Parts: sequence; structure tokens; C-alpha cells
Amino acid sequence: AQSVTQLGSHVSVSEGALVLLRCNYSSSVPPYLFWYVQYPNQGLQLLLKYTSAATLVKGINGFEAEFKKSETSFHLTKPSAHMSDAAEYFCAVSDQGAGSYQLTFGKGTKLSVIP
Amino acid sequence: EPEVTQTPSHQVTQMGQEVILRCVPISNHLYFYWYRQILGQKVEFLVSFYNNEISEKSEIFDDQFSVERPDGSNFTLKIRSTKLEDSAMYFCASILGPPGNTIYFGEGSWLTVV
Repeated sequence: AQSVTQLGSHVSVSEGALVLLRCNYSSSVPPYLFWYVQYPNQGLQLLLKYTSAATLVKGINGFEAEFKKSETSFHLTKPSAHMSDAAEYFCAVSDQGAGSYQLTFGKGTKLSVIP
Repeated sequence: EPEVTQTPSHQVTQMGQEVILRCVPISNHLYFYWYRQILGQKVEFLVSFYNNEISEKSEIFDDQFSVERPDGSNFTLKIRSTKLEDSAMYFCASILGPPGNTIYFGEGSWLTVV
């Protein structure tokens, strides 16, 4: 069974500061990992995904995430926060290697950006 | 950019009524999903559908729920007798299939049961 833990349900950063959103996973097989963003009253948009290629993954809007197998982590970072980054961010894991594309989501982290 | 479309965007229904949520997945995709997000909680998997049948379902997906692909484009979720606790955002998603492909989500259908 897979699970995802996102530390911190709410993170506040100043505009221009580093964004770090934490995600740890557990999976019985090599995982595929995803970060999705949800803006208010909108659906889920894929930010980036890890599918067993490069461990450092670059996504849209300047976000990136690094897969660390030894730490079972897939933390999301952005060097400089922008006001438009305020949203809820979800980490998700999939055992696609086992033939299942079902996603298991974390509880989400709401990012606030302070001007 | 291809997209998954969902209707309605918001529906209010009385407890005990039947609701059908509609989705048009991306045209060449093979796997289809419904997920649910109760307000303030995480997104939860309900059901996956492949080759015209359910391939996986969660404990949430009990007998009051059903899915159907009535034609080549639509994918529906039916809730037979709605309960207050069914109030949630329901997301449809689709994926082409091979590992590593992106799962695309629709913008969601917000269901309020009163």
C-alpha cells in the first residue's frame, strides 16, 4: 500500500523567499511521484512528475523537486516565491510500475505568499 | 493543451436524490478515473475504468455509486441516493496508459447535498 505525508498543512513565505514544501512517501515498488497545484475554485494542475529518470525534476512556473530514495522524499522547491504561487499543493504517488495508475494523494499544503 | 471537461461545475441536490456527474476525457486516453475531495480534506480515489469495465475501486465506492461510458466520449458517475456526506468536489481524470504518462484532471464538479 502506498501513502504520502505532507508536513505542514499551511506554509507562509515572503515574496521572493525560498519555497520548500515537504513530501515523504511509502511505496512497495519503485514509485512514480507527482506534484499537483490547485488554485482557488479550480481543478488539479500537474506541476511536475518523477518517473525514474533524472532525480531532479523541473516543472512549470519555476518549481522543481528532487527524488531522494534514501530519504523516501520528494520535496518541492522554488527559489523565489511569487504572489501568484499562492495555492494548495498536493504530492501524489502512483505504483505505475505495478500496472496501476491510481494516485494516492497527500493531505495538501496551502501556500500563502506575503507581500 | 488537451483537457478533461466536466459538467456540471456545481450542483445542489436534495438528500436521497440521484445525481449524474459527466466527464469527457481526453479523446485518445484509455484509463478513466473519478476522485473525490471533501472540503478541507485530501483528494481520494474512487474508481478506475478501463476497457469498458471497472479496474479498481476504493472502499468509498459502494453500491450507491456506479460509472458508465455510454458512448465513445462520455464517462459518467452516478450517485443513486445522495447523502449529506457525499457533498464534495468530484474530479474526473484520464491517462493514455503507458507508465510515466501524465494523469490529466478536469476542473471538478462541486456537489452540495442539502
